[in-house]
Amino acid sequence: QQPVQSPQAVILREGEDAVINCSSSKALYSVHWYRQKHGEAPVFLMILLKGGEQKGHEKISASFNEKKQQSSLYLTASQLSYSGTYFCGTGGTSYGKLTFGQGTILTVHP
Amino acid sequence: DSGVTQTPKHLITATGQRVTLRCSPRSGDLSVYWYQQSLDQGLQFLIQYYNGEERAKGNILERFSAQQFPDLHSELNLSSLELGDSALYFCASSVDTTYYGYTFGSGTRLTVV
Repeated sequence: QQPVQSPQAVILREGEDAVINCSSSKALYSVHWYRQKHGEAPVFLMILLKGGEQKGHEKISASFNEKKQQSSLYLTASQLSYSGTYFCGTGGTSYGKLTFGQGTILTVHP
Repeated sequence: DSGVTQTPKHLITATGQRVTLRCSPRSGDLSVYWYQQSLDQGLQFLIQYYNGEERAKGNILERFSAQQFPDLHSELNLSSLELGDSALYFCASSVDTTYYGYTFGSGTRLTVV
């Protein structure tokens, strides 16, 4: 099943924070986060493994709550370059395919 | 350059025709994945190959087929094309999605007229 992302869209001003959530009805082994700018390929941001791990990448971090089968992506002090569509991808075992959520469109204005 | 090469970048063809999309994975990556992204839609999984063998299949139409060759490049064949097949087709590769993410190619934009 496809994971569900919320919200569907977020509009921010530079410097503001945002949270994007990803929920699954299936037990998760790993959660990936990607950002796609318009007309470009998705770019890998980070991967989280089961165990409640939290990771950071510049001012973007994420958490993974295995019990709730949820992951959240935190964008702090947003920059114009953060604009794009964010996808979570949920995976099974090693080598397994990812099933992506429907995406969250993030727009950062000056 | 992500290291994953997709050709062609753009393809315009008529309904009923057949096309072949090509993907060369990043060096060292044994898994190749194909995804379809329609306008303003998410990424729909089509098929996965690992070291030459089909590993997983998604909602891939019977008109579509794929294969991975001994040099690990992969081809996605789309036949009897319909207007609704117009989309961005991405190839991605990975060494192991347990600890590493996908590296996507730049995609092939297919337009069926």
